[in-house]
Amino acid sequence: DTAVSQTPKYLVTQMGNDKSIKCEQNLGHDTMYWYKQDSKKFLKIMFSYNNKELIINETVPNRFSPKSPDKAHLNLHINSLELGDSAVYFCASSQFRGSGASYEQYFGPGTRLTVT
Amino acid sequence: QKEVEQNSGPLSVPEGAIASLNCTYSDRGSQSFFWYRQYSGKSPELIMFIYSNGDKEDGRFTAQLNKASQYVSLLIRDSQPSDSATYLCAATTGGFKTIFGAGTRLFVKA
Repeated sequence: DTAVSQTPKYLVTQMGNDKSIKCEQNLGHDTMYWYKQDSKKFLKIMFSYNNKELIINETVPNRFSPKSPDKAHLNLHINSLELGDSAVYFCASSQFRGSGASYEQYFGPGTRLTVT
Repeated sequence: QKEVEQNSGPLSVPEGAIASLNCTYSDRGSQSFFWYRQYSGKSPELIMFIYSNGDKEDGRFTAQLNKASQYVSLLIRDSQPSDSATYLCAATTGGFKTIFGAGTRLFVKA
């Protein structure tokens, strides 16, 4: 009964390759996120989808493309991987409650991406 | 640039003591504030959330919010070695966007 799941957990690949990370949540939430956590542990938002619509798109290279086929899934595709893409990528979900506030986010286990 | 600032630590406290973690935020429009705990190699997990000025208590944890000072804190009473982790402060600004601080590393010495 995992709440937010991600696959794969580990991803080792070479520069220039294309890879995808998948995320699924069974909490019935309407908002999902992708975060990148670098080696200094700083957690930075990349994208957010609300009801399958892209609502946050931070300054992320266009090599990164999120896709949300439905409210429960949010995938991240990365083209032409670079050394600097090495990080832990977390998926999260929450239920938006309007009025500029939100509920807490639930995080997936993370995908450790290593680009060699 | 909207920011959430935390002292990176490490903060070291003896077992049984009170650990005090602090956080400031720059966006006065922020409405929701969260404390997450992250063990090494694990994902962040929610400890506390607070929306209103004042204190909110949950077991050994107390979150404090002062919107006038743009200040959020987390107190951990009777600290245990199992509390040793990185604590992330977060503020939701503009509805969907949550800004995280860089985290404070806490060590509780047995």
